[in-house]
Amino acid sequence: KQEVTQIPAALSVPEGENLVLNCSFTDSAIYNLQWFRQDPGKGLTSLLLIQSSQREQTSGRLNASLDKSSGRSTLYIAASQPGDSATYLCAVRLNTGFQKLVFGTGTRLLVSP
Amino acid sequence: ETGVTQTPRHLVMGMTNKKSLKCEQHLGHNAMYWYKQSAKKPLELMFVYSLEERVENNSVPSRFSPECPNSSHLFLHLHTLQPEDSALYLCASSRSTGQLQETQYFGPGTRLLVL
Repeated sequence: KQEVTQIPAALSVPEGENLVLNCSFTDSAIYNLQWFRQDPGKGLTSLLLIQSSQREQTSGRLNASLDKSSGRSTLYIAASQPGDSATYLCAVRLNTGFQKLVFGTGTRLLVSP
Repeated sequence: ETGVTQTPRHLVMGMTNKKSLKCEQHLGHNAMYWYKQSAKKPLELMFVYSLEERVENNSVPSRFSPECPNSSHLFLHLHTLQPEDSALYLCASSRSTGQLQETQYFGPGTRLLVL
């Protein structure tokens, strides 16, 4: 059974810092991995999607990497801003059966001005 | 605006009540999903509908009953819920589940409290 873990559970940093969020998964048989952002009281917004054959994806100040063989992904946020404060969720899409998304518990990020 | 709306946004109900959650998507998608997000737990997939047919029921208790009358609307009917059912219920939609690369678009969720 695929399990996704995110560390740390919560993170508080001053504005301007570069930071790394970690995601690990137990079964490397994945089709892709996705990072989402969730703001309080709102749904999820997709940030980056990495196919299993890719090593990284970049969007603006965000960079996500994937090491499928070791079951790890990182989300790098450069020059953090207060508007980056949110919960960040990692999800893997299974490569078998229904190919559903399996989510981690998230990292709650607070960026202080 | 994600194109996926959910009503109500907040709901308080007693264990003997019957209520329904509604989801509507304006994206032309043909697959819709219900997820449950409990405190300190990962999102759990509950149901999936593709082309208005249920294709996934993730061992959800029968007190939750989904309905998909057309590809734009999805309901979750609730009856005799338990306090542990209190959670954020998220709806999502995507293109046909036959395409592996489709992205799911999420609604804002309904915050449910069962007393």
